[in-house]
Amino acid sequence: DGGITQSPKYLFRKEGQNVTLSCEQNLNHDAMYWYRQDPGQGLRLIYYSQIVNDFQKGDIAEGYSVSREKKESFPLTVTSAQKNPTAFYLCATADEGGYEQYFGPGTRLTVT
Amino acid sequence: LAKTTQPISMDSYEGQEVNITCSHNNIATNDYITWYQQFPSQGPRFIIQGYKTKVTNEVASLFIPADRKSSTLSLPRVSLSDTAVYYCLVGAADSNYQLIWGAGTKLIIKP
Repeated sequence: DGGITQSPKYLFRKEGQNVTLSCEQNLNHDAMYWYRQDPGQGLRLIYYSQIVNDFQKGDIAEGYSVSREKKESFPLTVTSAQKNPTAFYLCATADEGGYEQYFGPGTRLTVT
Repeated sequence: LAKTTQPISMDSYEGQEVNITCSHNNIATNDYITWYQQFPSQGPRFIIQGYKTKVTNEVASLFIPADRKSSTLSLPRVSLSDTAVYYCLVGAADSNYQLIWGAGTKLIIKP
């Protein structure tokens, strides 16, 4: 069954803790993305990767880090430096050309 | 990168045709126009994509005038399940895969 898996669906953390969000895909897509969505807002790009072992900052990369050691996996770490980490996080992939993006189910992170 | 402007919200009724227009005055030659649908607490889902004129698939049509400065997503005979947020995006692969997502149009379908 092809698709994108994000886990967990809901995540709760205390302020000051780093947390890693998982994103796995079996679509064999080269490009992967991380977005953040706040209530009533559109998606904002955090990081993207076009190929293994390479990634680029998006519009709001501060306080986040990523790795791309495997084509299938693109984990996102929300560090304690991120001032307002509570949000809905979406992982996406894109096939060659990048015109159509495929999204995972998202992880809702709550930091208190 | 081109920016888009869409209405914040729209209402319609079941069985009606709904048209959502998006303005993208600064669209570049290489840019495609893509529409996504998003339900609450889910990732967006691709609806349709076009470059010019008209594109139709099993769920929607996309009308793009010759100057490409706007586009209109047409949803025929909507149902309650079409209540969602609809995003219009423009972008091209040679923009490093970066797409700018606006706030979208919240479409509410009433019985």
